Amino acid sequence: GDSVTQMEGPVTLSEEAFLTINCTYTATGYPSLFWYVQYPGEGLQLLLKATKADDKGSNKGFEATYRKETTSFHLEKGSVQVSDSAVYFCALSQGGSEKLVFGKGTKLTVNP
Amino acid sequence: EAGVAQSPRYKIIEKRQSVAFWCNPISGHATLYWYQQILGQGPKLLIQFQNNGVVDDSQLPKDRFSAERLKGVDSTLKIQPAKLEDSAVYLCASSPRLAGGPAETQYFGPGTRLLVL
Repeated sequence: GDSVTQMEGPVTLSEEAFLTINCTYTATGYPSLFWYVQYPGEGLQLLLKATKADDKGSNKGFEATYRKETTSFHLEKGSVQVSDSAVYFCALSQGGSEKLVFGKGTKLTVNP
Repeated sequence: EAGVAQSPRYKIIEKRQSVAFWCNPISGHATLYWYQQILGQGPKLLIQFQNNGVVDDSQLPKDRFSAERLKGVDSTLKIQPAKLEDSAVYLCASSPRLAGGPAETQYFGPGTRLLVL
């Protein structure tokens, strides 16, 4: 079945450091890809998405590019802030039911 | 716009007891999802409704879990009897999409944290 594998955490960075969280997927067909974020004490919220190969999703300084050849959707940010501390989930959805299949999540802590 | 509402936020029960969770999706959203998130894992879909019909319940443990969405709006998820391994956060999400359309954003509620002792 479809699956998502993302970088094991936790990840601890200093403010203004560069962030990469790796995400690869296994799926039949051409899924849509997502990054969701869960801030402490809050619900999951969509950070960015891409629906076809070579699309780049971006939001709040975060970017991810849908790479079909490497089945990857790595999350990047050039300069992280303390407020980016959260758990980040990579996910995919397929046509049909469009259910989301999530990775295990990566906890990011950014220190001042 | 009001978000997805869930209640209760926390619940502690003993094994073999029953429990129910309630979800009110964003107004006008046709599709409603229930996910189970066990500590340290990503959410896993339990059941998906489109309006008041079930689209996917392949991962719902039907011997103990049940869900309904009357009138295509609110939904309840019930566990009876609960087991220790049901301890998790139960997330409700909704989206405006209709089957066969483009991938739509799912909007998540704050979740209900269940502890089974």
